[in-house]
Amino acid sequence: ETGVTQTPRHLVMGMTNKKSLKCEQHLGHNAMYWYKQSAKKPLELMFVYSLEERVENNSVPSRFSPECPNSSHLFLHLHTLQPEDSALYLCASSPSVSGNTIYFGEGSWLTVV
Amino acid sequence: SQQGEEDPQALSIQEGENATMNCSYKTSINNLQWYRQNSGRGLVHLILIRSNEREKHSGRLRVTLDTSKKSSSLLITASRAADTASYFCATDRGNDYKLSFGAGTTVTVRA
Repeated sequence: ETGVTQTPRHLVMGMTNKKSLKCEQHLGHNAMYWYKQSAKKPLELMFVYSLEERVENNSVPSRFSPECPNSSHLFLHLHTLQPEDSALYLCASSPSVSGNTIYFGEGSWLTVV
Repeated sequence: SQQGEEDPQALSIQEGENATMNCSYKTSINNLQWYRQNSGRGLVHLILIRSNEREKHSGRLRVTLDTSKKSSSLLITASRAADTASYFCATDRGNDYKLSFGAGTTVTVRA
């Protein structure tokens, strides 16, 4: 138990579906992140939030839409995805955005069919 | 962009042996961190070494940092089957909040 909870753990969706990934952290951290992990590739940072404000959008396609309603919750809304978007999506948090250890959730496995 | 690169990509050892993996990076850093990921799970932080430190220990883990060579190594001593996982280095350049991860070293410990 890392203190970062992601749901669902597995998701299969069609290319025309709309779904959301949810992340909740119980660590009192101020920063939250979405990472994408594809096979044999380095982790890709997608979005960074600091105190509910988006501070980084790493050239992510608009079919991925993040939402951070408060410092404990983070969502990734998915719409009109492509098969190449199939990957493990990892949520993480840290005390602040600078130089800290990052605490990861267990990830959400996404398969786009 | 990718900052750290781990070497080797994969490593297979016998239980009880030591495992060593390396990480090289390109620009100056504030700190370097090592993480472990069991198959299909999230990453777990193992150890952080600051740019002014040369060596750090945590249980069976030993991390070294050579800033002149822009490289770090992670040594796992007396390996166990439970050490089977992927290991990632991550660098913090200190001037932004992007913790840059490498592609990882996959370690298999044979019983």
